[in-house]
Amino acid sequence: GQQVMQIPQYQHVQEGEDFTTYCNSSTTLSNIQWYKQRPGGHPVFLIQLVKSGEVKKQKRLTFQFGEAKKNSSLHITATQTTDVGTYFCAAPLGGSNYKLTFGKGTLLTVNP
Amino acid sequence: NAGVTQTPKFQVLKTGQSMTLQCAQDMNHEYMSWYRQDPGMGLRLIHYSVGAGITDQGEVPNGYNVSRSTTEDFPLRLLSAAPSQTSVYFCASSYSTGLETQYFGPGTRLLVL
Repeated sequence: GQQVMQIPQYQHVQEGEDFTTYCNSSTTLSNIQWYKQRPGGHPVFLIQLVKSGEVKKQKRLTFQFGEAKKNSSLHITATQTTDVGTYFCAAPLGGSNYKLTFGKGTLLTVNP
Repeated sequence: NAGVTQTPKFQVLKTGQSMTLQCAQDMNHEYMSWYRQDPGMGLRLIHYSVGAGITDQGEVPNGYNVSRSTTEDFPLRLLSAAPSQTSVYFCASSYSTGLETQYFGPGTRLLVL
């Protein structure tokens, strides 16, 4: 079936370094959502992107939606230990507004 | 508001046993869904519901049944548990569709022996 490919699968950084995770789809997306899951926790919504080329910022986090609406990225500037967790992108695929497909996630670990 | 609640938090089953994972939300959300999370596989949609009395299959529905008799509750039933169903199960809800913020419950960790 249709998928949202997310890379990298893992990323280990030193505290203060930057981090980026990418999501790619072979089809045009109506929107894309980003979630964070702390170790042992549940996914928590971060943001939704809808418009082509959209860029949104939340403090040290910058989210981008590609011009063709087929890819998206999450960039964290100057990582902190509180950023540790798995970051997921999610998008409705197959023309359905009811079936949200998640990427496999990027696990971020931060060395203090 | 309690948000989305799930019970139990942990469960151990033997192969062939049945059980129901409970999910409830107090936000008057129409859309509810169940996901399973396995290492390296992300979250995969099992079943979803767009309102009381309406359910549909997701990506991995085999071995699971659901029903939605009220807006608040969306239980997930395993009729005959198999080791392949060992996973962490998350329930989520949103206002009306998958296009909106999904609010996740704390999850149920299930081990099938």
